[in-house]
Amino acid sequence: DAKTTQPNSMESNEEEPVHLPCNHSTISGTDYIHWYRQLPSQGPEYVIHGLTSNVNNRMASLAIAEDRKSSTLILHRATLRDAAVYYCILRDPGANSKLTFGKGITLSVRP
Amino acid sequence: DTEVTQTPKHLVMGMTNKKSLKCEQHMGHRAMYWYKQKAKKPPELMFVYSYEKLSINESVPSRFSPECPNSSLLNLHLHALQPEDSALYLCASSQEGPSAVYGYTFGSGTRLTVV
Repeated sequence: DAKTTQPNSMESNEEEPVHLPCNHSTISGTDYIHWYRQLPSQGPEYVIHGLTSNVNNRMASLAIAEDRKSSTLILHRATLRDAAVYYCILRDPGANSKLTFGKGITLSVRP
Repeated sequence: DTEVTQTPKHLVMGMTNKKSLKCEQHMGHRAMYWYKQKAKKPPELMFVYSYEKLSINESVPSRFSPECPNSSLLNLHLHALQPEDSALYLCASSQEGPSAVYGYTFGSGTRLTVV
């Protein structure tokens, strides 16, 4: 799977929007961009995924650059419960596609 | 039911013991996975089952033995483990095989300590 690059950590204030960046300059034309998060003492949780167009769901929005070499996960109003490690993962569409976690970005939310 | 249930939540075992971790889902998902996560590290894939058949083994030592008795259940049998095998073991499932189109649903994990 192609590699992603994320900052190690980021801080935000409660009730403010948060933009979590991810670079994936070697993405192939068919790779999907997935985001997961892992809250302390829990298993990872699927957040959102997309291919080319921006995507919205109840948890977050995913903004994908036109050249697909980067993407941004947007939390519209951060809460204390959003403090977690966020993983940006590329997945090829093959039959044995793997979900391979990188280091992720640790998001801290200040009250 | 939209959950993956793992039991037990905590397990302490000696190096000569045999134990099993269990994972169950009733979402009709046909792919199931085992991951291992050491402290402060990302999860690492161990095994993938697709339609109840083992499709990926990430060169995991034979002291870990997976089993998929049916489409809802996944077991991980443990034997002669080492202290360095102490970790959080996570189970996950997804629809219709490990396709990139679908997200995974993870359980909360089993915290294993080998003494």
